[in-house]
Amino acid sequence: EAGVAQSPRYKIIEKRQSVAFWCNPISGHATLYWYQQILGQGPKLLIQFQNNGVVDDSQLPKDRFSAERLKGVDSTLKIQPAKLEDSAVYLCASSPGARANEKLFFGSGTQLSVL
Amino acid sequence: GENVEQHPSTLSVQEGDSAVIKCTYSDSASNYFPWYKQELGKRPQLIIDIRSNVGEKKDQRIAVTLNKTAKHFSLHITETQPEDSAVYFCAGFVNNAGNMLTFGGGTRLMVKP
Repeated sequence: EAGVAQSPRYKIIEKRQSVAFWCNPISGHATLYWYQQILGQGPKLLIQFQNNGVVDDSQLPKDRFSAERLKGVDSTLKIQPAKLEDSAVYLCASSPGARANEKLFFGSGTQLSVL
Repeated sequence: GENVEQHPSTLSVQEGDSAVIKCTYSDSASNYFPWYKQELGKRPQLIIDIRSNVGEKKDQRIAVTLNKTAKHFSLHITETQPEDSAVYFCAGFVNNAGNMLTFGGGTRLMVKP
């Protein structure tokens, strides 16, 4: 079974630049999550989609972060403009059902460094 | 919203010894508690989970216990092996409009051979 695919694996940018991350969830999984994992901390949910609708984006800094999930499959997360504190690993995860009280399948993440 | 705290932040044990990691949660309505293992540079992977209708669950060398009254749950690893070395994250889920899984800060477990 193919896992959750993410790209790029690493990204280095300067502050105030823009960056985008891509995620392809496991085929058939209804729910897709974007998590931010700062070094030494647990993953923090940024946004959760069910199919192509947003379930929760209460912790997404909407002044600079945006995300979309077109056609209920792939998703992109964008940061514009980036700040130093955005340096983190951005993890995408998916799950078969509609709620987060089940196994999440994580991608390998995109490690972002903002200089 | 839900707040999950995890202790200790680092834990070093000798191979063959047991390891215990404890998490506390704030929302008494939480009803699902998974544990994820993240090896260095790799993705988090679910190793065990427990729902609020049971007090304990075991899977070979791994067990999780839940105390709803005290609002804490613990991961127990027996007969630790070097390959158990990783960061372990607990999480709590509240079945409300937020529908969010909240993770603890993580515990770095080091098993010394």
